[in-house]
Amino acid sequence: TQLLEQSPQFLSIQEGENLTVYCNSSSVFSSLQWYRQEPGEGPVLLVTVVTGGEVKKLKRLTFQFGDARKDSSLHITAAQPGDTGLYLCAGGKVGGSEKLVFGKGTKLTVNP
Amino acid sequence: ETGVTQTPRHLVMGMTNKKSLKCEQHLGHNAMYWYKQSAKKPLELMFVYSLEERVENNSVPSRFSPECPNSSHLFLHLHTLQPEDSALYLCASSQNTGLGGELFFGEGSRLTVL
Repeated sequence: TQLLEQSPQFLSIQEGENLTVYCNSSSVFSSLQWYRQEPGEGPVLLVTVVTGGEVKKLKRLTFQFGDARKDSSLHITAAQPGDTGLYLCAGGKVGGSEKLVFGKGTKLTVNP
Repeated sequence: ETGVTQTPRHLVMGMTNKKSLKCEQHLGHNAMYWYKQSAKKPLELMFVYSLEERVENNSVPSRFSPECPNSSHLFLHLHTLQPEDSALYLCASSQNTGLGGELFFGEGSRLTVL
């Protein structure tokens, strides 16, 4: 059973466009993290959200945690080629063992 | 540079070979992890060590054998692997095993089993 569904699976856009990727679940999470993985490298943490309804901004990236703490979104404004990578969400499950559950990721390509 | 170094970066082995993956962290963290990353699958947690003690073994086949001699080093010993074990193996560390903490990943070891 896939606890975290990420969509879309693939996204290819032109430089300057805006985009939103989603991370959805039927489960409640105590916290949710977003990582970016560039080709040939390991994932790097972008943000952690812990409060339902929380919005965090990191330059051109805006992260939102759903009110019910079951879903999250990542919006990128004016995408740049340097944003290319695999975006992974990872949730810490309430009541479960202390380990993160990862989604399959959204592979983003930003073309110059 | 994340402070977590993995070697080798690439490994090709036959099903009867024995090899090891090595991970070293320079961050002073107490927890270390092995993850498996396969195409079209989520990251799969394999093993977790906290202060050199194994605290999680996520139903991993015995052909994968972890070793954590100290809090800075983690090994994954491989023997009689199957072609479906071909994947990117990622090592990570964190300050502790509590939820919400940041995982620092190495660049991974790309394993191909022939």
